[in-house]
Amino acid sequence: DAGVIQSPRHEVTEMGQEVTLRCKPISGHNSLFWYRQTMMRGLELLIYFNNNVPIDDSGMPEDRFSAKMPNASFSTLKIQPSEPRDSAVYFCASSPTGERTEAFFGQGTRLTVV
Amino acid sequence: GENVEQHPSTLSVQEGDSAVIKCTYSDSASNYFPWYKQELGKGPQLIIDIRSNVGEKKDQRIAVTLNKTAKHFSLHITETQPEDSAVYFCAALYSGNTPLVFGKGTRLSVIA
Repeated sequence: DAGVIQSPRHEVTEMGQEVTLRCKPISGHNSLFWYRQTMMRGLELLIYFNNNVPIDDSGMPEDRFSAKMPNASFSTLKIQPSEPRDSAVYFCASSPTGERTEAFFGQGTRLTVV
Repeated sequence: GENVEQHPSTLSVQEGDSAVIKCTYSDSASNYFPWYKQELGKGPQLIIDIRSNVGEKKDQRIAVTLNKTAKHFSLHITETQPEDSAVYFCAALYSGNTPLVFGKGTRLSVIA
């Protein structure tokens, strides 16, 4: 398995533009998580899905952030409009259900909003 | 909800020495405690984990200990090598299908 795949790896955009980050979880995993990593706040959970259903989005900072999981193999995190303070590394992770609870992380998307 | 505190935030050791990173958690119902290593430009990767029914677990130079009564757990790296330099995160989990709660991370530097 190729692991969790995120795209793009790097994104530079102008303030006010829409940004879409993409994630393909590991096949067979039922849970998907979006995290944001900054120096100041560390790894913050933004939202997570179980079986494609959003369970908890209380970590989403503002209405400018939205996430979808239309099927078991794809999820998006959208920021519209983007702001400089959204600059961070965004990670997607997936995990299987049951006894195994290890979360597998993608390589991340480094977002820079100028 | 669960809260995980991690110390120290930075740690420098000489090659060959041991490194210890400590974490505390708040929710006594948490039962799974993984440790992740994040190298530059990469996502965190699991290096070792421990469940609440075990007090200690070892894998070569890495060991983790858990004290459920005190609600703290620690990562021990012996005979450190330069390739151990990275950011290490502890985490706690209440149950499957719920998200991991991470500590803020420890930047470990192993000086050759």
